[in-house]
Amino acid sequence: KNEVEQSPQNLTAQEGEFITINCSYSVGISALHWLQQHPGGGIVSLFMLSSGKKKHGRLIATINIQEKHSSLHITASHPRDSAVYICAARGEYGNKLVFGAGTILRVKS
Amino acid sequence: GAVVSQHPSWVICKSGTSVKIECRSLDFQATTMFWYRQFPKQSLMLMATSNEGSKATYEQGVEKDKFLINHASLTLSTLTVTSAHPEDSSFYICSARDPLAGGEYQETQYFGPGTRLLVL
Repeated sequence: KNEVEQSPQNLTAQEGEFITINCSYSVGISALHWLQQHPGGGIVSLFMLSSGKKKHGRLIATINIQEKHSSLHITASHPRDSAVYICAARGEYGNKLVFGAGTILRVKS
Repeated sequence: GAVVSQHPSWVICKSGTSVKIECRSLDFQATTMFWYRQFPKQSLMLMATSNEGSKATYEQGVEKDKFLINHASLTLSTLTVTSAHPEDSSFYICSARDPLAGGEYQETQYFGPGTRLLVL
């Protein structure tokens, strides 16, 4: 079992739909990152969470430390949101990130 | 915002040659940089942590003599794939943290655009 698990692996949505991507982790963490990787490979850091909830535009990220679970929500999805979304957990000690396998999101117009 | 560049963006080489990939932090000084490898349809795997002025810390299973890392300055880390073979073909990505960034931004990793390596 991976230390960081994401679901679903693949997600196809219609433009405008509300999207949720889930991330569960089995280790103690100091922070959880949500990353976006576009088809060309470039990676953008979307959020870093250690508690609670963060919002940036149409993106919302939440984390429940007790349940070791985080979610990334996209409201009013758009085809340009199509990408791979990756959660990564940073351990309690050190800088190393452990990555989930990623969720491939495709938003159709 | 913080920017990390990589060069080259892609490289094709013959088996047995060595390839050097550069990772630069353009607008901040990075005491620590990270090198990742990503195979098709797989997630990123940390290869090593590059520390300015000292030896890199390699992850288990990564050959330090094959993947040479040099972090000679606060803005540049290089990864050299020595005697590359077809199985080394992959997408190599670096990231860096800005230790002087305030608050939570200190923990944010900024990723380079990646380098695609194809070994024939």
